[in-house]
Amino acid sequence: EIVLTQSPGTLSLSPGERATLSCRASQSVSNTYLAWYQQKPGQAPRLLIFGESTDFRRATGIPDRFSGGGSGTDFTLTISRLEPEDIGVYYCQQYGRSPWTFGQGTKVEIQ
Amino acid sequence: EVHLVQSGAEVKKPGESLKISCKGSGYRFTSQWIGWVRQMPGKGLEWMGIIYPYDSDAKYNPSFQGQVTISADKSISTVYLQWSSLKASDTAMYFCARQRDGYLVVFDLWGQGTLVTVSS
Repeated sequence: EIVLTQSPGTLSLSPGERATLSCRASQSVSNTYLAWYQQKPGQAPRLLIFGESTDFRRATGIPDRFSGGGSGTDFTLTISRLEPEDIGVYYCQQYGRSPWTFGQGTKVEIQ
Repeated sequence: EVHLVQSGAEVKKPGESLKISCKGSGYRFTSQWIGWVRQMPGKGLEWMGIIYPYDSDAKYNPSFQGQVTISADKSISTVYLQWSSLKASDTAMYFCARQRDGYLVVFDLWGQGTLVTVSS
């Protein structure tokens, strides 16, 4: 199965700063089939970004400060200007090869 | 409004059986796959399996094959996750999640989660 490794484990930034989260795959993820989810404490995950072919798209209702990038084995989620409500754990997920797998998560904190 | 509503928290003993549910509303339930995702205490997300409610075609993560059964009753827009003999290691939060319309296996709608606690 494809193992996804996320870094850093925790990201602590101030409001307005740029956040860059990394997701590295153990094998190439075909067609950029990689998604990002946000999970706030005590809540279910929420889909933020998903990829298809070479493009990444935001899910319905997701603000444009969230963007996805990357290809092959290296992917990033960027939050251009961090807002206090962006705190939570962010997971990447690949759907290029079954079994679909998630990364272990990156926790985003506000300083 | 579109929802997935899961059954309530469960406390069980090792060896007992359990079936939890996930009911969809506000969309055409039979036309989109529903998956189950496990989250052990303080840990990340694990995809367990997925089912197509229209014909109950189910696919499993090999790590969970034979450990759980996923089923559906399309007449009441509900999918199920069941265990025949629980273990302490099954203690976790379980989420159902709808696959986005189309072939991309991304989950765009999630249930609120069902906490399963297995303890003697």
